[in-house]
Amino acid sequence: SQKIEQNSEALNIQEGKTATLTCNYTNYSPAYLQWYRQDPGRGPVFLLLIRENEKEKRKERLKVTFDTTLKQSLFHITASQPADSATYLCALDPVDSSASKIIFGSGTRLSIRP
Amino acid sequence: EPEVTQTPSHQVTQMGQEVILRCVPISNHLYFYWYRQILGQKVEFLVSFYNNEISEKSEIFDDQFSVERPDGSNFTLKIRSTKLEDSAMYFCASSGGTALVTGELFFGEGSRLTVL
Repeated sequence: SQKIEQNSEALNIQEGKTATLTCNYTNYSPAYLQWYRQDPGRGPVFLLLIRENEKEKRKERLKVTFDTTLKQSLFHITASQPADSATYLCALDPVDSSASKIIFGSGTRLSIRP
Repeated sequence: EPEVTQTPSHQVTQMGQEVILRCVPISNHLYFYWYRQILGQKVEFLVSFYNNEISEKSEIFDDQFSVERPDGSNFTLKIRSTKLEDSAMYFCASSGGTALVTGELFFGEGSRLTVL
């Protein structure tokens, strides 16, 4: 069956450390993978997209990698801050690259303690 | 900055009643979506809409659900006869322009539906 799995429901780390979140998928061959942030009671907010032919993408303190052989994406937040505390969702298009259907993993709740 | 707006923010209804949730997507966007999130669970795809017709729908989107773009700006989700298990946050999203190439979705703040 097709699945998107995010490695842990919750991750708790010390401020200033690097947070690493994992997204694994099975039985898909997505052309790209996205990461979103969701705060409690709010809609998801797009952060980054990485394409299948890209190994790594960076945006400020965020870095995403995509390994199509392992069927895995890693999402890193460097120099983490309490304001980074949120749920982070990975998402992909299981149909084609037309964006007609974007589906989400269950998310990892990240808590950064001061 | 353009945003997706949703109304109502919270609706309480009795089981069996019809509910219409409304969304105003970003004006130059072409794809429109509804997602739902039951409390504490994942964001689940319901339906996508493009060129005035449904593009994709999930198994959740059964005959009790319908979508419409009645006037070129609003995008609505109708639940014909609500059940207790329809209680959830419903998110509208849109995509288009350069974002269509990437599939980046812009979400509204959600409509919380409580079915009693």
